[in-house]
Amino acid sequence: DIQMTQSPSTLSASVGDRVTITCRASQSIGSWLAWYQQKPGKAPKLLIYKTSSLQSGVPSTFSGSGSGTEFTLTISSLQPDDFATYYCQQYNSYPCSFGQGTKLEIK
Amino acid sequence: EVQLVESGGGLVQSGGSLRLSCAASGFPFSSYWMTWVRQAPGKGLEWVANIKQDGSEKYYVDSVKGRFTISRDNAKNSLYLQVNSLRAEDTAVYYCAREGGYSLDTWGQGTLVTVSS
Repeated sequence: DIQMTQSPSTLSASVGDRVTITCRASQSIGSWLAWYQQKPGKAPKLLIYKTSSLQSGVPSTFSGSGSGTEFTLTISSLQPDDFATYYCQQYNSYPCSFGQGTKLEIK
Repeated sequence: EVQLVESGGGLVQSGGSLRLSCAASGFPFSSYWMTWVRQAPGKGLEWVANIKQDGSEKYYVDSVKGRFTISRDNAKNSLYLQVNSLRAEDTAVYYCAREGGYSLDTWGQGTLVTVSS
């Protein structure tokens, strides 16, 4: 099975900051990576699919990059609504594993 | 409006069973792979199982193989997860989700399964 590891586990930042979250796969997954945002008590929301494609309705402040085993999610200018937990997920092979999550907190 | 609504969760004793349901609306259900994802209290997301449009292919995470069964009824626009031989570690919110473009683009609100020992 493919293991997905996110870093950092927790990130403290301020409104307006640029932040980057990293996701590493235990083996190559090509470009088959998605990113989700989850707020407390709510279902996850798709942000990015196939590494860098922005889901409809998601602000352009979100972007994704990478390939193979290393991927990043970048938020170019944090907004108050962006403080949440973020998960990566690989879709290269079953089971389609998630990273452990990165909690983005207000500094 | 595209919508997924789960039901069927509850409190069950260790070793017990439940049937989770997910009612889909607002999109051609029979055209999509569908997935179950779970989240234990305070923990991260875990992919559980998925099923092809016509039900001919199903995949499971190892920890539920032989105990959980995913199925669908396209005539009823419904997805199911039969969960048997439940253990304390199966306690979680169970989400159904639609697969679109190698990602999960639509999620339900989740249904809570609590397994008591």
